[in-house]
Amino acid sequence: LAKTTQPISMDSYEGQEVNITCSHNNIATNDYITWYQQFPSQGPRFIIQGYKTKVTNEVASLFIPADRKSSTLSLPRVSLSDTAVYYCLVGVFTGYSSASKIIFGSGTRLSIRP
Amino acid sequence: DTEVTQTPKHLVMGMTNKKSLKCEQHMGHRAMYWYKQKAKKPPELMFVYSYEKLSINESVPSRFSPECPNSSLLNLHLHALQPEDSALYLCASSQAKIKLGATGTYGYTFGSGTRLTVV
Repeated sequence: LAKTTQPISMDSYEGQEVNITCSHNNIATNDYITWYQQFPSQGPRFIIQGYKTKVTNEVASLFIPADRKSSTLSLPRVSLSDTAVYYCLVGVFTGYSSASKIIFGSGTRLSIRP
Repeated sequence: DTEVTQTPKHLVMGMTNKKSLKCEQHMGHRAMYWYKQKAKKPPELMFVYSYEKLSINESVPSRFSPECPNSSLLNLHLHALQPEDSALYLCASSQAKIKLGATGTYGYTFGSGTRLTVV
């Protein structure tokens, strides 16, 4: 199982770019890297997913170096509403018993200030 | 439809009660999951169903009994729970087959959860 390590917490200000790095040294060949956002008492919400290099969507960018042992979620121009817990997950999102089980790490608690 | 719907949103039950949590999705996902989340902790995997068959049970106590009656529904039957079982119970679904290198987005879709309180 690929274990992930993230900073426990981060603080930033509105309008700033925030980068959250996740370490996953034992990532497997088939594993995808996926980031989720979670607000209190809600289910995690998908943000972005990648396999290698860079992926960008309307809310974030994901940077993955060639060795894939880490990844960085980049949130441009954050607002107060981006205050949440961010989880980096590594694995293959299938129900096969032989596939990687997706295990949540501790996540990063991001606090945005005015 | 790109949602996972969980009912009820809130549930209070006594330790001798029997209740069920329900999860429904219509995205054609053939893998479904139950997670348990305590306050300020990450979600913990409980069960995984693949093609309506239980494929992973993370050593969950038998007072939690999952059921997958069809490809769209996932239930979690609760009986004789303890106060420490109070938590947010999350259901998720995903595709059950991914071809390596396929383009697209492959991840979990989570429901909003059921907030369970055992008294």
